[in-house]
Amino acid sequence: AQSVTQLDSQVPVFEEAPVELRCNYSSSVSVYLFWYVQYPNQGLQLLLKYLSGSTLVKGINGFEAEFNKSQTSFHLRKPSVHISDTAEYFCAVSMEYGNKLVFGAGTILRVKS
Amino acid sequence: DVKVTQSSRYLVKRTGEKVFLECVQDMDHENMFWYRQDPGLGLRLIYFSYDVKMKEKGDIPEGYSVSREKKERLSLILESASTNQTSMYLCASSYGGEAFFGQGTRLTVV
Repeated sequence: AQSVTQLDSQVPVFEEAPVELRCNYSSSVSVYLFWYVQYPNQGLQLLLKYLSGSTLVKGINGFEAEFNKSQTSFHLRKPSVHISDTAEYFCAVSMEYGNKLVFGAGTILRVKS
Repeated sequence: DVKVTQSSRYLVKRTGEKVFLECVQDMDHENMFWYRQDPGLGLRLIYFSYDVKMKEKGDIPEGYSVSREKKERLSLILESASTNQTSMYLCASSYGGEAFFGQGTRLTVV
């Protein structure tokens, strides 16, 4: 069975600083990987996805993530965060294209001025 | 834009009531899902449906069922609501490796 571990429940960071949100997964087969963002009182929105090809994936709002198969990781990064990036971020994995997603517990990113 | 609409943002029900949460998507997606979101636990899959009248249990199906009579609509049913079902419920549909979520229904069972 697949599982997803987000290593940090909360990440505080100052505005304009870089940030990395960590995600590790376990699966015995090839997977598809996703990062979603949830702003307060809203549903989830896709930030980026890895399906195949280049291991560096660029998403919306300046975020990117790198798929590392040997370390079974898919860490999310942004070189300079804004106050508006304050939200909860979820890493997710799917074994089949378009099939059910298994989510991590989430990481709350708090950007301080 | 894909739209996934959940019928209620907030709902308060009494213990023992039968509760229906409705979800409608407008993009003709085959796959639809119901998740439950609790702090520190992320999203946990309750049920998913990959076609009309087809359904599969997710990770936490106990106390829930689903109904999909039409392709665009997936209903989540709490047969007899209990206080431990107080939570945020998120519906999603998916296509091409991406899931699209509704705004969520915050259900409180008193």
